[in-house]
Order: sequence, then structure tokens, then C-alpha cells
Amino acid sequence: KAGVTQTPRYLIKTRGQQVTLSCSPISGHRSVSWYQQTPGQGLQFLFEYFSETQRNKGNFPGRFSGRQFSNSRSEMNVSTLELGDSALYLCASSSGTVSSYEQYFGPGTRLTVT
Amino acid sequence: ILNVEQSPQSLHVQEGDSTNFTCSFPSSNFYALHWYRWETAKSPEALFVMTLNGDEKKKGRISATLNTKEGYSYLYIKGSQPEDSATYLCAPTRTSYGKLTFGQGTILTVHP
Repeated sequence: KAGVTQTPRYLIKTRGQQVTLSCSPISGHRSVSWYQQTPGQGLQFLFEYFSETQRNKGNFPGRFSGRQFSNSRSEMNVSTLELGDSALYLCASSSGTVSSYEQYFGPGTRLTVT
Repeated sequence: ILNVEQSPQSLHVQEGDSTNFTCSFPSSNFYALHWYRWETAKSPEALFVMTLNGDEKKKGRISATLNTKEGYSYLYIKGSQPEDSATYLCAPTRTSYGKLTFGQGTILTVHP
């Protein structure tokens, strides 16, 4: 069974631009969560999608948004990039509710904002 | 905001040593606790999901216990090996559909 895949793996953007990251979950998994990892803040929850609906949202500004497609693939978008958005963005898929089931993480997308 | 504390922040042990670290979280409205291992240049890997007070789970040389009444979980590694070197993260959740709130992690280094 293929694992969680994320594209692209690395990305360099300029302040003010926008970026879209993609995540393909494990086949059959309907839940996709997104996380931001920075050295200072650790691993922080962004949002979770289940069956195309956002089920949970973390404490991030509205510049961070996401969506999920009918095949469970998910995208997250960050508009008007700021230097502080430089981070590793991880997505994770789960076969059930995030609370009760293990999450399987992808390799991440390393975003650098200059 | 869920306050999750992990201690110690980092730990250096010799190969063969047994070690343990702690995850503390608010005991109110507890639903489940997750443990993950994150090795450098890899993705976080799920170790355990625990829900019941007194739960004990084991995977090879790694085991974990859970005390929901006092709000803590211990992770034990018996006979540490260099390949156990990683950051160990815990994440409690408050509801069946709740998000995971990760602690800052314990960085374990096992010296050969």
C-alpha cells in the first residue's frame, strides 16, 4: 500500500506570493490533516478534512486555507506569504477519526519564504 | 488551548540503557493520547494511541502507560539502541473528533 505523498517536496517563494501544497492520502483513508512545523513552535495543527468537509481548524490566520477533493486528495493554500510562514508542512491521513486512529504522515513540503 | 508538556526536553543515554520520559496534559475532558516517534529526515511514525486510564501498550522494546485522572503518560524504552534516537512526541485530544495538540517533544540520543 502506497504511503502518504506530498508535492512538491521543496519550494521557495517570495514574500507576498501565494502557494498551494498537495497531499495524497493512503488509499481508503478519508481524513487528511495538515500541520506546520517550525523550530520555535513545534508541530502545530492547521486543519483536518474528512469527506471534503473541514472538521477541525487550528489557530492560524485566514491566509491559510485548504480543501479536500472527492478522491480524498487535499490541498492547502497560503496567500500573501510572510517570512514567518517558512516551515515544514506535513500532512497526515487516517482511516477514521483523528482522535482515535493513528495518523500516517507524509514526507512534508519544505517551504522557504524569502 | 491545550497545554501539553514533555520532559525532559532532551536525553542522552548509552546503548543498552533503559530510559523513560513523561507527557503531561490537562486531565479534564480527556479523550485519547497519541505517541509518535520522529527520526531526522523521516516522517513522524505512530507508536501508540491510548484511551483508557491504566492503559499499557507495548511495541517491541517500547511501552507506554496512561493515567488520565492525573493527566500524564510515560513512554519507556528498554535496552536503548542507536536506532531509537529520535524525537518522541505526545499529543492528547479532548473529543472523539478533536485535533491533536503536540507537545514540544523529547529528543533522545542513544550513543553506541
